[in-house]
Amino acid sequence: QKEVEQNSGPLSVPEGAIASLNCTYSDRGSQSFFWYRQYSGKSPELIMSIYSNGDKEDGRFTAQLNKASQYVSLLIRDSQPSDSATYLCAVKDGNNRLAFGKGNQVVVIP
Amino acid sequence: DTGVSQDPRHKITKRGQNVTFRCDPISEHNRLYWYRQTLGQGPEFLTYFQNEAQLEKSRLLSDRFSAERPKGSFSTLEIQRTEQGDSAMYLCASSRAEARGEQYFGPGTRLTVT
Repeated sequence: QKEVEQNSGPLSVPEGAIASLNCTYSDRGSQSFFWYRQYSGKSPELIMSIYSNGDKEDGRFTAQLNKASQYVSLLIRDSQPSDSATYLCAVKDGNNRLAFGKGNQVVVIP
Repeated sequence: DTGVSQDPRHKITKRGQNVTFRCDPISEHNRLYWYRQTLGQGPEFLTYFQNEAQLEKSRLLSDRFSAERPKGSFSTLEIQRTEQGDSAMYLCASSRAEARGEQYFGPGTRLTVT
């Protein structure tokens, strides 16, 4: 079983709608969780970090964490064309390594 | 805070040649990480340093790969006898040495082995 799974295919959302991304992880002892945004040909950019169960909001982004279900999600409200990118879920292990999912491509349609 | 910088941004080399990449972390960060990313995949951890000590190496890091951080500031990643399978984006990240230290990535070095 892969450490971090992002199974959804490309996500197309109309401008102004909510984009919802999901991620599951296998290491029950993980404590730190991150979402990175990656534009084509660029490097990952940290957009959210979450460490406790529940929701964390930052502008139009909300991260949700459920450690019992080993599940992390990211909501993007009022999606804009500039949000079109690949979103990477990352989980930090006890050795400070980040394990990444394959990413989910989001396309915001004007 | 000038961010993480990497040099070169692009490198094309012939199979069998050696290449070296440099990473300069954010100045107050004492942890530095190397990752590799191929098309359609998330980054894969290669190795990391705390100050000048290399604390963790992935099994992905074959004997042809070596990384150094001699003075605890910049780091170099060398690949000897490059192979076509080494073609990838090599990413450097840095963080503070704390439990929740968030990792910030540099722009990456794209390696193409012909």
